[in-house]
Amino acid sequence: DGGITQSPKYLFRKEGQNVTLSCEQNLNHDAMYWYRQDPGQGLRLIYYSQIVNDFQKGDIAEGYSVSREKKESFPLTVTSAQKNPTAFYLCASTDGVGSGSQETQYFGPGTRLLVL
Amino acid sequence: QKEVEQNSGPLSVPEGAIASLNCTYSDRGSQSFFWYRQYSGKSPELIMFIYSNGDKEDGRFTAQLNKASQYVSLLIRDSQPSDSATYLCAVKVWGYQKVTFGIGTKLQVIP
Repeated sequence: DGGITQSPKYLFRKEGQNVTLSCEQNLNHDAMYWYRQDPGQGLRLIYYSQIVNDFQKGDIAEGYSVSREKKESFPLTVTSAQKNPTAFYLCASTDGVGSGSQETQYFGPGTRLLVL
Repeated sequence: QKEVEQNSGPLSVPEGAIASLNCTYSDRGSQSFFWYRQYSGKSPELIMFIYSNGDKEDGRFTAQLNKASQYVSLLIRDSQPSDSATYLCAVKVWGYQKVTFGIGTKLQVIP
């Protein structure tokens, strides 16, 4: 089955700790995205990547970092600089720029990050 | 000014009624419009996308787009309790890879 997987489902972070959220897709999509969702707020874009070895900051990139070494993978690191990391993190992918349904973003199941 | 606006709700409708969800956007360069459904604790799933002015129907769902008035709506006919969820409106501007999401409207279908 093609799809997007995220792991872990729940993640606990201690003060001063960096943690990495995994996102893998086997849809052969070019573009991948990371969003953060807080209660009562919409999805806010953290980072996105249109091709391998290239990524762009979104609206709330401070305290986060990403890499895109493979087309299938787009891990997100929440660094100790992110002071309020508790949120639901969603990874999405789309098969790139163009017209038609290809622009649709498909989401993984999400990772819920909690601070101890 | 928010780029994509939705009423957070909750919008309550009786089972079998038509639910009408609305979304307005500010960027006239917006080209692609999406409706996602999100159940509590789950990730968003695509319901429909629409690009052209007018109506687009898929089963019990109809998306309506009016670019002149800058709004897009989603109608759900014969609403079912299983339709109870938060509905996210998303907008993409031509030439940009980013998609902007509204805060979502919570729909409650009362049996």
